[in-house]
Amino acid sequence: GAVVSQHPSRVICKSGTSVKIECRSLDFQATTMFWYRQFPKQSLMLMATSNEGSKATYEQGVEKDKFLINHASLTLSTLTVTSAHPEDSSFYICSAKQGALGHGYTFGSGTRLTVV
Amino acid sequence: SQQGEEDPQALSIQEGENATMNCSYKTSINNLQWYRQNSGRGLVHLILIRSNEREKHSGRLRVTLDTSKKSSSLLITASRAADTASYFCAAILQTGANNLFFGTGTRLTVIP
Repeated sequence: GAVVSQHPSRVICKSGTSVKIECRSLDFQATTMFWYRQFPKQSLMLMATSNEGSKATYEQGVEKDKFLINHASLTLSTLTVTSAHPEDSSFYICSAKQGALGHGYTFGSGTRLTVV
Repeated sequence: SQQGEEDPQALSIQEGENATMNCSYKTSINNLQWYRQNSGRGLVHLILIRSNEREKHSGRLRVTLDTSKKSSSLLITASRAADTASYFCAAILQTGANNLFFGTGTRLTVIP
């Protein structure tokens, strides 16, 4: 089945630094990838939608200059949290869409970001 | 918000019992899906039900969909301790957006 690999699974960084999270589709081409954020014991909130070769579409309230998304190839999307603050600490999950119909959504295993 | 609401927020049952989780949403959907998430992990797709379907089964899972009430339910029969996880409904809306909108989730604990 379709597999999405997300790295790193856990990262601790200092305030003010940047962190890059990678999301790779291993056995299929993902024209669209989604980035979600999840706070403890809460649901997933969509941050942005990235399409290969074009700019990401950000949801209302998400700072595009802070959460940089790059989808340069059909198998890789990256989320960079710039100038991280403790309030950015969260669980980030990517999802890749495979095909235009049906289920077609595969999720990465998530990244636990802690900013100290 | 287009996020779905789920109830209960938390459910604790004995092994062997059935668990029922409910999901309500606000706008018209193309399909509704249920996902499982173990603590601190990614999501695993369980089952998808299309807007023109009313009920669907997969193993010990039974999903219903009532588009007139904008609600869905997930039933897990003969629960096992390994079913302990959070369960989320997620929908593709008819707005044309191709992303999933998630419900608030139900935390299920199955006591051995």
